[in-house]
Parts: sequence; C-alpha cells; structure tokens
Amino acid sequence: AQTVTQSQPEMSVQEAETVTLSCTYDTSENNYYLFWYKQPPSRQMILVIRQEAYKQQNATENRFSVNFQKAAKSFSLKISDSQLGDTAMYFCAFMFDSRASGGSYIPTFGRGTSLIVHP
Amino acid sequence: EPEVTQTPSHQVTQMGQEVILRCVPISNHLYFYWYRQILGQKVEFLVSFYNNEISEKSEIFDDQFSVERPDGSNFTLKIRSTKLEDSAMYFCASSDSQSDTQYFGPGTRLTVL
Repeated sequence: AQTVTQSQPEMSVQEAETVTLSCTYDTSENNYYLFWYKQPPSRQMILVIRQEAYKQQNATENRFSVNFQKAAKSFSLKISDSQLGDTAMYFCAFMFDSRASGGSYIPTFGRGTSLIVHP
Repeated sequence: EPEVTQTPSHQVTQMGQEVILRCVPISNHLYFYWYRQILGQKVEFLVSFYNNEISEKSEIFDDQFSVERPDGSNFTLKIRSTKLEDSAMYFCASSDSQSDTQYFGPGTRLTVL
C-alpha cells in the first residue's frame, strides 16, 4: 500500500518570500503520478501541480515548482513570491499508474500542511 | 474554464434521514469520483464510477451509500440512513481518463444532527 507523509502540519511565510512544503511517499512501484492540491478556506480542492514519475524534469507552474527526488521518494513544493491568496491547506497526493496491471488510479492523500502567508 | 459543480453547498439533516448530494462533472469527462473529508482530517476516497457502474469502492462505502448517474450530466451520492459520523465535506471529482488529473468540485458540507 502507498503512504504519503507530510511532516509539517503548519507553515508560515511572509508575503513575497519563498516557502517549501515537504512530502515523502512510500511505494514499491516505478510508475506513478504525484500531485499537489491546494484547499483554501473556501474548501475547494484545486490542482496546483502534477508530476509524472517517469519524467526527470521537475514540474513548474508559474510561482509553483516541485523538487522531485525519485530515489529518495520525496516531492516537495516550492512557492516563490508568496501571496496572501496562497494561504491554504496543501495536500500532497500519490497515484499509482496501474495501466499495465489494470489496477486502480485512486490517489492517496497526505494529511496536509496548513500554510499561512503573513502580510 | 470548465469546472465541477456541487449542490447543495451545505446540507443539514437529522440522523437516520436520507440525503442526496449532487454533482455535475466536467462535460467531456468519463470517470467520476466521490471523496469525503472529515473536519481536520485528510481526504478519503469513497467510490469511482465509469460506464454507468462502480469501478472501485473503499471500505467506507458500505451498503448505506449508493451512486447514480441519472442523466447525462448529474452524478449523485445517496446516503440512505445518515449517522452522526457521516458529517463531513463530500467532494465530487471527475477526470477525462483513469490516469488523468482529477478535478474536484467545491464540496458539500454535510452536517448530521
């Protein structure tokens, strides 16, 4: 079974600064997907960024980038130039690519990191 | 940009009552999902649905739960006899394919009294 660990329950950062949220996962599989979702106070889950495990290049989406270390099973999210609107709960998620075995594509979520951006 | 919508945003019900939570997935998506999130806890998978049948379900999704796609646009989650512990945020999601990113709706907050 896959597990996703987010070791930082809470983080805070000053506006315009950079913050990194950590995520580690445990799997014996080689092909999978990793995601970061953002859940603001409105509680809607919004996709921030997605990474395919077969890609060595780290995914980037504007101010959001990841540091994907496959050997270390680490998938951290870096938010540059933090904005007040970045205040949210951030969930890391793992999804096994079961194309070959016909298994499930159900993501496993971590417990989340609450990020507060201070003005 | 297309998005998943859910109604109602908040549902309050008495224990033992039936509730139906509604979702309109993104129109060209073929895979549909329900998740729940008890306050302060992580998101948990309930069920996935494809081609008018359940493709996978978790241990949480017992006989009290059912899903349906009554027409070409809606996807519903029914809880037959609600319990206090069913109080949670329920999220619907949809995706274009199994391996594609799942897009979540805004959620329905269910409160069981």
